[in-house]
Amino acid sequence: GENVEQHPSTLSVQEGDSAVIKCTYSDSASNYFPWYKQELGKGPQLIIDIRSNVGEKKDQRIAVTLNKTAKHFSLHITETQPEDSAVYFCAASFVGDMRFGAGTRLTVKP
Amino acid sequence: GAVVSQHPSWVICKSGTSVKIECRSLDFQATTMFWYRQFPKQSLMLMATSNEGSKATYEQGVEKDKFLINHASLTLSTLTVTSAHPEDSSFYICSALLAGKGYEQYFGPGTRLTVT
Repeated sequence: GENVEQHPSTLSVQEGDSAVIKCTYSDSASNYFPWYKQELGKGPQLIIDIRSNVGEKKDQRIAVTLNKTAKHFSLHITETQPEDSAVYFCAASFVGDMRFGAGTRLTVKP
Repeated sequence: GAVVSQHPSWVICKSGTSVKIECRSLDFQATTMFWYRQFPKQSLMLMATSNEGSKATYEQGVEKDKFLINHASLTLSTLTVTSAHPEDSSFYICSALLAGKGYEQYFGPGTRLTVT
């Protein structure tokens, strides 16, 4: 089955700096790669996703890159703000069967 | 759009009792819903896949007789934790598959279950 590894487990940055979170996956059949933001006591919120036929996608301060050959994808957050502080999960999916990374706790210091 | 609700948001029950958690897609139809379990500071673990009108598919290690799933309509799936024990205490989260838009899953806000 699919195995998703996520690094780092914790990340602390200064407000305004960039943050990068990386994930690798094992199943070459996976074709959908979403990123979720989860705040304490809440359900995950989809923030950006990318499909296997695309190498990069950007939405304002958030971007995701995908390298299918190497089976890794990354989340990039620029100009971080304190409200970006949360746990971020990557996931890899094939036909709706989604597996999650272990999560990254991002702290943005004002 | 693509809003998923869960009820209740939190529940406390005594050992041996059963608890039902509802998951609803509010503004779309979901032929497939998923149930996840999340322990503190850990990732989401898929428990089962629920398809409307058919039996749920459980992940390895998840007791189907303990975690009863019913997906009776295109907007409602329920998870019943039967004969709950303290080790069942966890954060239960459902998600719904948005058909026609690839494989995007939208998550509910979660239900915090505490078994005393």
